[in-house]
Amino acid sequence: KAGVTQTPRYLIKTRGQQVTLSCSPISGHRSVSWYQQTPGQGLQFLFEYFSETQRNKGNFPGRFSGRQFSNSRSEMNVSTLELGDSALYLCASSPLTSGAYEQYFGPGTRLTVT
Amino acid sequence: GENVEQHPSTLSVQEGDSAVIKCTYSDSASNYFPWYKQELGKRPQLIIDIRSNVGEKKDQRIAVTLNKTAKHFSLHITETQPEDSAVYFCAASKGHGGSQGNLIFGKGTKLSVKP
Repeated sequence: KAGVTQTPRYLIKTRGQQVTLSCSPISGHRSVSWYQQTPGQGLQFLFEYFSETQRNKGNFPGRFSGRQFSNSRSEMNVSTLELGDSALYLCASSPLTSGAYEQYFGPGTRLTVT
Repeated sequence: GENVEQHPSTLSVQEGDSAVIKCTYSDSASNYFPWYKQELGKRPQLIIDIRSNVGEKKDQRIAVTLNKTAKHFSLHITETQPEDSAVYFCAASKGHGGSQGNLIFGKGTKLSVKP
């Protein structure tokens, strides 16, 4: 099976702009989670989607939002970008079938805010 | 909320030696504990995981142990090789409604294996 894919891989934006990142999970996986990775804070959970519903949300401001489509593809949106939003954004997919909780990460989108 | 602490932050070993990385978690309801390996510029890769109903799990040179009473779990790598050099992350989550999507990660351990 093809792995988790994310687009775009690199993005440069200026403060105040908004950005949309996309994630395509492994075929058959219905759960998609998003994480932010920075050198200072490490890997932090943003939110999780399952069957088009947000099931969990991390401690991030409302500027961070997401959605999931019927084909399980997911997008996350960051509005009013701040310099501190510069990070690697990773998505992970999971089958969430009985006993299968493993999460597999995509390559990430490197966002730079100037 | 859940908090995961990971030690040490850096670890240097000679090729062939063993490496041990330790993590503690705060939420006794956590029941799933994966370990990820991340090489420079690459995505985190799941290397092994353990559920709360199991005390130990092995996969070739890698093993994970879990002590629920003490709320800590450890990664053991035996016969280390230079290709084991990477940053290793532990994580914890508690499932609800079948969801394990909210992994809480430790800060990572940079392992260097010297030839």
